[in-house]
Amino acid sequence: AQKITQTQPGMFVQEKEAVTLDCTYDTSDPSYGLFWYKQPSSGEMIFLIYQGSYDQQNATEGRYSLNFQKARKSANLVISASQLGDSAMYFCAMSSDNFNKFYFGSGTKLNVKP
Amino acid sequence: GAVVSQHPSWVICKSGTSVKIECRSLDFQATTMFWYRQFPKQSLMLMATSNEGSKATYEQGVEKDKFLINHASLTLSTLTVTSAHPEDSSFYICSAGGGDQPQHFGDGTRLSIL
Repeated sequence: AQKITQTQPGMFVQEKEAVTLDCTYDTSDPSYGLFWYKQPSSGEMIFLIYQGSYDQQNATEGRYSLNFQKARKSANLVISASQLGDSAMYFCAMSSDNFNKFYFGSGTKLNVKP
Repeated sequence: GAVVSQHPSWVICKSGTSVKIECRSLDFQATTMFWYRQFPKQSLMLMATSNEGSKATYEQGVEKDKFLINHASLTLSTLTVTSAHPEDSSFYICSAGGGDQPQHFGDGTRLSIL
């Protein structure tokens, strides 16, 4: 069974600073995908970044980068130059079923301070 | 624009009512869709996998007679909460994709049972 752990219920960061949101996972599947989603108060799930288990390089998407450490089974999200609009819930997710079915972590609420 | 449409976005109804939520894939066919449930300040929990033309696959602990899923076409899955009670109040969200399509989430449905 898959398990996703996010140990930071809430985080504060100063505007324009970088922040790292932690995510660890556990799976016995040889192939899997790791995802980060942003959920603002309106509820929609906004895809941020994806890392495949066989990808050699860490994924990057604009201000988002994923620090993938396979041996440690961690997939931390790094947001550089935080903006006020980054304040939201952030969920780490894993999928191994042809990358369709997702299992989510408990989430981290990020607050960006001006 | 949205690639997965979910309707309605907000439902308030009396206890004992059955409520139907629709999830549509726009511009692509989805043989599989997923339904998630999210309680306030908690993570998304996978409820079931909706399979076009066959029975849905429910996650452990989810009552199949309570949450009826119908996937009648390649672009539409419906979730019916039968005889809803206040404890069924939650945020329900679907996702669709697969094949050459990444998973896309609908905007969710807030269900409030009085």
